[in-house]
Order: sequence, then C-alpha cells, then structure tokens
Amino acid sequence: QVQLQESGPGLVKPSQTLSLTCTVSGGSISSGGYYWSWIRQHPGKGLEWIGYIYYSGSTYYNPSLKSRVTISVDTSKNQFSLKLSSVTAADTAVYYCARDYLDSRRGPVAFDIWGQGTMVTVSS
Amino acid sequence: DIQMTQSPSSVSASVGDRVTITCRASQGISSWLAWYQQKPGKAPKLLIYAASSLQSGVPSRFSGSGSGTDFTLTISSLQPEDFATYYCQQANSFPTFGGGTKVEIK
Repeated sequence: QVQLQESGPGLVKPSQTLSLTCTVSGGSISSGGYYWSWIRQHPGKGLEWIGYIYYSGSTYYNPSLKSRVTISVDTSKNQFSLKLSSVTAADTAVYYCARDYLDSRRGPVAFDIWGQGTMVTVSS
Repeated sequence: DIQMTQSPSSVSASVGDRVTITCRASQGISSWLAWYQQKPGKAPKLLIYAASSLQSGVPSRFSGSGSGTDFTLTISSLQPEDFATYYCQQANSFPTFGGGTKVEIK
C-alpha cells in the first residue's frame, strides 16, 4: 500500500523560501505511471494545484505560481520536494503531496493517493 | 485556466436521502473529471474518476455522470459517514478544482 508523508517547517518567515518534502513508502517513484504532485488548501478554502513531477524530472507548474515554484525528485530516497520562494501570508495553507494516476493514452487522470497534509504558516 | 463551478455550495440532507451535486466546467473537458470527498482535518479522498468510474473501495451508492461541461455526483442513499465536503476536479488541462459542496445534516 503506497503512502505519502509530507515533512518540513511549519513556520516560514515572509520573503523566505518554503521547503517541503514528500516521502513515498510502499512503492517506488521510479516505477512510472504517475505524476507526483503538490496541492495546497488555504484555511477554510478550496484546493489549488501547485505542480507535479515525473520520476524522470519533467515538471509542470500552475501558471499562477510558476515563477516561484520548484519541484524536484530524488529517486534514490523515494522522495520529491517543493520549494516556494518569496512567500507571503497568502501562502499560508495546508500543503498536500499526492499521486496523480497517468492514463497511458492521454495523461493525468486523478489524484488517487494523498498525504495527510502539513500546515505551513507564513509569519514573522 | 478552466474554471470549475460547483452547485450548490452547501446542502442539508437527512440519512437515506438522495443527494446530487453538480459541477460545470468553463469549457469542454470531455470526461476528464474527478470527484473527491474531504472530511474536516483530513486529506481529500478520490471517489470517482473519468466522470463515472468508481474508485476501488468506494461504496456503490456514489455515482458520477456527465461529459463536456456538465457533470453530477449522486449519493443514492446518504449515510452518516457521507457528511463531508465534496470537490470536483478537471484533468483536461492543468488541474483545477471546484469550490466545494458541503453536505450537512438536516
């Protein structure tokens, strides 16, 4: 059973870089067939996709966040990571990592496995 | 961006009721739509993908339909554990989610 677990600081100062890691257990990131994603949810609000990465390193980002986002993968550790630069209070949210199932004919289909989420607060 | 609009934003229902939630896309997305259930303090859970395919392990009282721009999620007989917030998500282009529908106890 594949499981995802987010880790990283719960408090980040404004203008600094938010860094989170997602550790995948019970399966290999390198097996293919999935995009590995970051999604966030502002307090009491809906869901916002941040971006995803394939095990090969190919990345896709939400255009609204693209200038500040970097997602990377470390297949040796079975982890992928998120960096979000120049954060403000508007980046305060619960951050989830998730697995996006890939249909071989057309691409990503749905987020079928999620981490439990980690709350990140941006405050001085 | 493809905008996803859910309605209603909240619904009050009783155990045993049939509940229908709708989701409209700002442009056609074929059948590339998923539905999720989220309970307070928990991560979303995938219920339906490709508009009408039931995710493994999800009770058959959940069903999805639609294509193009208009989609529905139906809970045929609401159970106590179904009180939650439901989100739609399009997978036709970079993912976007609807604003959510909260199913509350009447």
